[in-house]
Amino acid sequence: QKEVEQDPGPLSVPEGAIVSLNCTYSNSAFQYFMWYRQYSRKGPELLMYTYSSGNKEDGRFTAQVDKSSKYISLFIRDSQPSDSATYLCAMSAPQGAQKLVFGHGTRLTINP
Amino acid sequence: NAGVMQNPRHLVRRRGQEARLRCSPMKGHSHVYWYRQLPEEGLKFMVYLQKENIIDESGMPKERFSAEFPKEGPSILRIQQVVRGDSAAYFCASSPRQGGTDTQYFGPGTRLTVL
Repeated sequence: QKEVEQDPGPLSVPEGAIVSLNCTYSNSAFQYFMWYRQYSRKGPELLMYTYSSGNKEDGRFTAQVDKSSKYISLFIRDSQPSDSATYLCAMSAPQGAQKLVFGHGTRLTINP
Repeated sequence: NAGVMQNPRHLVRRRGQEARLRCSPMKGHSHVYWYRQLPEEGLKFMVYLQKENIIDESGMPKERFSAEFPKEGPSILRIQQVVRGDSAAYFCASSPRQGGTDTQYFGPGTRLTVL
């Protein structure tokens, strides 16, 4: 079993739709949760950072963490064609080197 | 404030040659992480370095791969005697401190192609 599982997609939705992206994980030591956006042939760009359980909102983006279910989500409201990218969830534990463990990534396309 | 810089952006090597990938962290960042992204796969941790120290190299292949972060200059990821399976995108990330409150910012990556 992988430490982090992510819906592989690809996911294609019309412009303006609400997008839901999800990851599950198995390591209960994970405390820090991130979502990165990666455009084709570019480096990952940090979108959201959350510590422990709860919700965090930033503009059109909302990140949710449910540690009891080992489940995290990213919601995108009023999706735009410019949101078309691969979305990577990542997480780390407070101990040790705090290396990030990534999901495989979900490729998202927003259709005009 | 310039972001994480990596060079070269694209590198082509023939089997058996050496590849050197460079990473300059963001200003004020003293922690560097290297990750590899194989085709159709997610990012995988390779190594974590601070200035002049390798802190965690648990993700590095046992042979041919090495990394350093000298007191002066960029961090270097070195791959000796490259093979076709080394073809991938290599990303460097930096953070100001080790700690959960400091997340990692990624560079644009170096795409290595081994012929």
